Amino acid sequence: GESVGLHLPTLSVQEGDNSIINCAYSNSASDYFIWYKQESGKGPQFIIDIRSNMDKRQGQRVTVLLNKTVKHLSLQIAATQPGDSAVYFCAEPTNAGGTSYGKLTFGQGTILTVHP
Amino acid sequence: GAVVSQHPSWVICKSGTSVKIECRSLDFQATTMFWYRQFPKQSLMLMATSNEGSKATYEQGVEKDKFLINHASLTLSTLTVTSAHPEDSSFYICSAEPDSGNWDTQYFGPGTRLTVL
Repeated sequence: GESVGLHLPTLSVQEGDNSIINCAYSNSASDYFIWYKQESGKGPQFIIDIRSNMDKRQGQRVTVLLNKTVKHLSLQIAATQPGDSAVYFCAEPTNAGGTSYGKLTFGQGTILTVHP
Repeated sequence: GAVVSQHPSWVICKSGTSVKIECRSLDFQATTMFWYRQFPKQSLMLMATSNEGSKATYEQGVEKDKFLINHASLTLSTLTVTSAHPEDSSFYICSAEPDSGNWDTQYFGPGTRLTVL
């Protein structure tokens, strides 16, 4: 679920490997999700988003998969590079049906460390 | 691309003093901005929604008299931590929502590290 106040799980990979970061959500009515990347000491940056009418969306080296049955989404990073080291969050806006995001609820996050 | 700045990027203050943090949208207008707090190795938690021309909306458990928000213009929101204490030490991040009327992401500032001694 979208827990807060807990320390972040970690994922360590070797450069060139593929990385998979997971996020679970609790609201079955949720219909829009965003993945953000946060580098150390910086604000979050948008990576990719997905609507609930899709189960997969691809970007540059990233793929998001959405499984509505088990309320789970994942971010896959292909050929992970040291520059991908960061904290990755899934997030859900409150105004998914509107013209703006509204408030964002962030998931727990995962610390990704890429070793050269 | 859309840029949001925050000032200062870090601040150290004594317990009991007040600290003001600015959030500016540099190349777009934002009627709505958001303030988040992030403790080390934790997720972002929304503190309040800042609305230009009206009072801010605070999340449950956030003291409005302690965290004063002023959205003075369509490009500037300020967060003042009043009578700061060590437990207020945190990373404060703002985001701004473009007034484009189109579905658009929020843009985040780089954050402000507050340390209260």
